Amino acid sequence: GENVEQHPSTLSVQEGDSAVIKCTYSDSASNYFPWYKQELGKRPQLIIDIRSNVGEKKDQRIAVTLNKTAKHFSLHITETQPEDSAVYFCAASNLATGGFKTIFGAGTRLFVKA
Amino acid sequence: GAGVSQSPSNKVTEKGKDVELRCDPISGHTALYWYRQSLGQGLEFLIYFQGNSAPDKSGLPSDRFSAERTGGSVSTLTIQRTQQEDSAVYLCASSLRQGHTEAFFGQGTRLTVV
Repeated sequence: GENVEQHPSTLSVQEGDSAVIKCTYSDSASNYFPWYKQELGKRPQLIIDIRSNVGEKKDQRIAVTLNKTAKHFSLHITETQPEDSAVYFCAASNLATGGFKTIFGAGTRLFVKA
Repeated sequence: GAGVSQSPSNKVTEKGKDVELRCDPISGHTALYWYRQSLGQGLEFLIYFQGNSAPDKSGLPSDRFSAERTGGSVSTLTIQRTQQEDSAVYLCASSLRQGHTEAFFGQGTRLTVV
């Protein structure tokens, strides 16, 4: 079945450094890749997404890259701040069928040390 | 409503009892998901509803779990004969079918089976 693997499970960085979270997916039909941020005790919220016809997307300090051949995508956070501390989930979906099932990775707990 | 609403927010039940968890999606959203999140863990897919199509139940962990979505709107997740391992936060999310693919999550129901 479909599977999304996410690494690392925990990441600790110093404020101002960059953080990179990597995901791989198994379903080659996946064509939509959102990233969600879940702060402690709160619900997951979308922070950025990328579709399979794009290789990279940026939004201020965050960027996502996608390698369809390798079925690999990554989240990059630059100039990290303490408020970036949260759990980040990658996900993969197939939009082709008129609906989609989103499969999430296990999550990465990011700690940004001040 | 303004967002996805879940009730109750917390539920403590005795082992062996049945529980019902409710999700009110954003009005007009055709897709509805249920996920389970154990303490410190990732998002486990349970079930997916899309419009009037047959739901994707492939994530339900056992036949004690079932879900309905009445009139394409409100959904109820039922867990029969609850076990301690069912203790988790149950998250509901909804999204539009096409064009707007972001999944909006509810605040979750924290289920504790004692």
